[in-house]
Amino acid sequence: GQSLEQPSEVTAVEGAIVQINCTYQTSGFYGLSWYQQHDGGAPTFLSYNALDGLEETGRFSSFLSRSDSYGYLLLQELQMKDSASYFCAGGSSGSARQLTFGSGTQLTVLP
Amino acid sequence: GAGVSQSPRYKVTKRGQDVALRCDPISGHVSLYWYRQALGQGPEFLTYFNYEAQQDKSGLPNDRFSAERPEGSISTLTIQRTEQRDSAMYRCASSLDPNNYGYTFGSGTRLTVV
Repeated sequence: GQSLEQPSEVTAVEGAIVQINCTYQTSGFYGLSWYQQHDGGAPTFLSYNALDGLEETGRFSSFLSRSDSYGYLLLQELQMKDSASYFCAGGSSGSARQLTFGSGTQLTVLP
Repeated sequence: GAGVSQSPRYKVTKRGQDVALRCDPISGHVSLYWYRQALGQGPEFLTYFNYEAQQDKSGLPNDRFSAERPEGSISTLTIQRTEQRDSAMYRCASSLDPNNYGYTFGSGTRLTVV
């Protein structure tokens, strides 16, 4: 099975950079995904790392280190609309191909 | 369709009744997933399908829960003899194929058992 740990809350100011960490313990780990969820909304896909290293998509970047069982989501030039919950999710190899989600990090962006 | 559609959006039912939750995935998406999400928590896996075949149902809490996707498109999650502990947001997601971990989630069905 898999378990993923991430901080429950992070607070930052508009325009700043914030990093949300995720550590995982898993068998058959395949890759790490990140999802954003605003209050009352559905989770939306942000990024996926299958290989070690940094993936950049606009203001958001995601990093994976398999040797350290660790990844992070980096949000730059924070905007008020980035206030949301962010979930890391581990994918599995083999027959169990579903994602296992962490408990989520509530990001609050202050003016 | 353009997105994943779930119905009903809200369902209030009395304890002991059966409920059926519907999911219409994005057209052409092979894989369909059912998750349950408690307030303030991440989605919890229930079951998933590739085409019409149920690949994994290890997340279903007990035998009151079942799911089907008979024609490889629309799926139904059925909960029999509902209990108050079944109250939650039930979310469906789909992806292009099993190797694609970029899921598209539906808006969910908020189930309340009274």
